[in-house]
Amino acid sequence: ILNVEQSPQSLHVQEGDSTNFTCSFPSSNFYALHWYRWETAKSPEALFVMTLNGDEKKKGQISATLNTKEGYSYLYIKGSQPEDSATYLCARYGNQFYFGTGTSLTVIP
Amino acid sequence: NAGVTQTPKFRILKIGQSMTLQCTQDMNHNYMYWYRQDPGMGLKLIYYSVGAGITDKGEVPNGYNVSRSTTEDFPLRLELAAPSQTSVYFCASSDTGGNQPQHFGDGTRLSIL
Repeated sequence: ILNVEQSPQSLHVQEGDSTNFTCSFPSSNFYALHWYRWETAKSPEALFVMTLNGDEKKKGQISATLNTKEGYSYLYIKGSQPEDSATYLCARYGNQFYFGTGTSLTVIP
Repeated sequence: NAGVTQTPKFRILKIGQSMTLQCTQDMNHNYMYWYRQDPGMGLKLIYYSVGAGITDKGEVPNGYNVSRSTTEDFPLRLELAAPSQTSVYFCASSDTGGNQPQHFGDGTRLSIL
């Protein structure tokens, strides 16, 4: 069993605030780190896949960074909107996938 | 474009019954996965397949079986349903392995009473 930790567990922010979450994982035998966005009553949707130390990815107002040496990834949302409300999952891939329990984001209008 | 299709969406089983959860993808992906998601827990990998005829255990395989006779289909079988298998089950697929995003189905909510 390989532990992927996400923090915080939940977050409430005001519309327009910027926010960030953390995904921590064992750095040994690392191959890739995935971020997914999971809205209520839907299925997880891929945001980013990162493999290299120092990788940075961006999609609109959402970006992510990766540090494979110390075993963490940050997800940033700039200027949160109510439609960003969702659970954000990270998953570590070494020889198989291990998911964190997610960060639940609520953006208050 | 259907993507990943799971059937049924909901099912109630009695203890000891068996059933098969169906998963089909139309993206010609080689890799397919079955996960379960319990309240307050992350997705746990049950089984995965890297291509037709090849399957392997994930983190929580006990009580389940899979087969992969075609690229498109990856059914998950519960032989003797137990209350501990009450969960939401997700099937996913990806083009290759861990460096490609997974595409998820809508899930099957299974209750065992």
